[in-house]
Amino acid sequence: ETGVTQSPTHLIKTRGQQVTLRCSSQSGHNTVSWYQQALGQGPQFIFQYYREEENGRGNFPPRFSGLQFPNYSSELNVNALELDDSALYLCASSLEWGRDTEAFFGQGTRLTVV
Amino acid sequence: AQTVTQSQPEMSVQEAETVTLSCTYDTSESDYYLFWYKQPPSRQMILVIRQEAYKQQNATENRFSVNFQKAAKSFSLKISDSQLGDAAMYFCAYRSMNRDDKIIFGKGTRLHILP
Repeated sequence: ETGVTQSPTHLIKTRGQQVTLRCSSQSGHNTVSWYQQALGQGPQFIFQYYREEENGRGNFPPRFSGLQFPNYSSELNVNALELDDSALYLCASSLEWGRDTEAFFGQGTRLTVV
Repeated sequence: AQTVTQSQPEMSVQEAETVTLSCTYDTSESDYYLFWYKQPPSRQMILVIRQEAYKQQNATENRFSVNFQKAAKSFSLKISDSQLGDAAMYFCAYRSMNRDDKIIFGKGTRLHILP
C-alpha cells in the first residue's frame, strides 16, 4: 500500500455526462499528477498540481480539468464524456519534483462510458 | 518530445529462469530518470527500479537489474530467478528533470511466469 487512495474504484457513466474522480495523496506530499490509461496502453499524463496550482498539462482537451485542495487532495473532472474517455485513471503523489523524489500511485478509478 | 518504446508486447519465462525486457527511448536531454514499473492485476503501479542518467553504474534491486546504455538510449530490465509473483505488466518510463516534468510511459510488456 502506498498511502494514495482513489475513489470510486469503478463507475459507469453515460456519454455526455460529467464525472469527478478523487485522489487523496500520501501524507506530506504536495504534488499530484493524473494519468489516463486506456486498455492495453501505458498511462498518459493529463496534468499535475503543485501546491494548488496547475504545474503542467498533457495533450488533453479543456473538458479535462482539475483541482488541488489545501490538504493536497485532488479532483479530476471530465465534462461531456465521450466513449473514448473509458479508461483507468491513475493519480500519483510525490513530495515536489526533483532529484530523489518518487511518485506513489493509487490503485486507480476504472471509468466506463456507455 | 521524449518517447519510450517497448517492442515486446508479451513475454514468457519459466519459473526460476532469467528474463530480459527491452526498452528504448528518445530524448535530447542529458539529465533524466528512467524507471521500470510493475502493474499487477490490482492495477497499482509499483516502482521496480530507477536509474539516474548521470550515473554510469547500472541500478540493481535484489533480483532486478538494468542494462543502461545511454549512448544507444537503451534501458533493459533483467529479472533473475523469476517467481510467480513477478507476473504482471511492466512499463518502462522516462522522466526529465524539469519542474513540470511528467512520467512518459511505454506501452508495456506483459510478463507470464510458467510454473
